[in-house]
Amino acid sequence: ETGVTQSPTHLIKTRGQQVTLRCSSQSGHNTVSWYQQALGQGPQFIFQYYREEENGRGNFPPRFSGLQFPNYSSELNVNALELDDSALYLCASSLGTGNEQYFGPGTRLTVT
Amino acid sequence: KQEVTQIPAALSVPEGENLVLNCSFTDSAIYNLQWFRQDPGKGLTSLLLIQSSQREQTSGRLNASLDKSSGRSTLYIAASQPGDSATYLCAAVQGGSEKLVFGKGTKLTVNP
Repeated sequence: ETGVTQSPTHLIKTRGQQVTLRCSSQSGHNTVSWYQQALGQGPQFIFQYYREEENGRGNFPPRFSGLQFPNYSSELNVNALELDDSALYLCASSLGTGNEQYFGPGTRLTVT
Repeated sequence: KQEVTQIPAALSVPEGENLVLNCSFTDSAIYNLQWFRQDPGKGLTSLLLIQSSQREQTSGRLNASLDKSSGRSTLYIAASQPGDSATYLCAAVQGGSEKLVFGKGTKLTVNP
């Protein structure tokens, strides 16, 4: 059974640029959630996708957007990057909503 | 709005000691509560999930309890080892919600 994977591991971008982060869910899982974790803080919920539809969104601006594909993998897109977007971005998958979530290793994004 | 608090923020203990990590939440209408471990710069590893109808869960040297009426959960670690050194996060899922609401974590250091 393959766990949750994320790519890339690290990324450095310049303010104003756009970035796409990718996540492959654990085998058999149909739900993907994205979280942002700033240094020294707990993860903050960005949004969740269930069967290719957005199923809830946290307090993040519209420049944070996502997709889920038929194989349940997912992308997180961030436009017009700001310095405060520098964080660890975590993806989690689960079988249905409200069930145990399994996290990937994260993508460390640095915006300069 | 659910808020999750973890006290203490950091804890240092000698190897072999039994210890308790605390988690409190403001809204008792939770669906489940999950405990995670996070090593520096890494993703989250799920340790234990407690459903709202349960009082506790055990896995090896770990035991997590849940008291919804008082808005508290505890993670008990028996016979701590240096390899237990990490940040421990608790997260609650509200009934009808899709997101995990995290505390800021407790950074545990177990000294040889």
